[in-house]
Amino acid sequence: SAVISQKPSRDICQRGTSLTIQCQVDSQVTMMFWYRQQPGQSLTLIATANQGSEATYESGFVIDKFPISRPNLTFSTLTVSNMSPEDSSIYLCSVQGARGEAFFGQGTRLTVV
Amino acid sequence: LAKTTQPISMDSYEGQEVNITCSHNNIATNDYITWYQQFPSQGPRFIIQGYKTKVTNEVASLFIPADRKSSTLSLPRVSLSDTAVYYCLVVLLSGGYNKLIFGAGTRLAVHP
Repeated sequence: SAVISQKPSRDICQRGTSLTIQCQVDSQVTMMFWYRQQPGQSLTLIATANQGSEATYESGFVIDKFPISRPNLTFSTLTVSNMSPEDSSIYLCSVQGARGEAFFGQGTRLTVV
Repeated sequence: LAKTTQPISMDSYEGQEVNITCSHNNIATNDYITWYQQFPSQGPRFIIQGYKTKVTNEVASLFIPADRKSSTLSLPRVSLSDTAVYYCLVVLLSGGYNKLIFGAGTRLAVHP
């Protein structure tokens, strides 16, 4: 299994500002995944981050809004840029194990006011 | 990616067995069936995975009929702490990474 730590666990931000979420894994992984979970909803994949290359974004998500860094095999950041109240969600970092099972961080609860 | 259909919600009582069924009519030959559990304010947690017939671990059992168009997650003797959202996913295990697509899930409420 993998242990994933996310920072911050929660934040309240002003609209128009940006927040960078950090994800640290206790082992080296090729791929890291970022998800968004809006209140009362299921998880939506934002992007896949491969170390050493640009992240691959899902339909509806763009790099200008959600820039991702992947500087090494144990760390990634997701920035939520120019925030609006519609960005209020839980943001989750995930990695996968040898059997394809996914491990998730505890999430970052973002509230934009 | 195969689409899954689950009941939106279920209610049960402590000590009962709970069976949550998931439909995945378009499952492909190389797809596996995976279930996750999510408690409030936490990320999803992997429960069990299977390809066909029956798989059992310390948490749950997974029943998959021969046609694999559905699967049933069985939770024996549930307790209040089993109150959570349960997600059924169909995943292609290709040796590379797997893009997980979460459906709406089943919200299980266990009552005293």
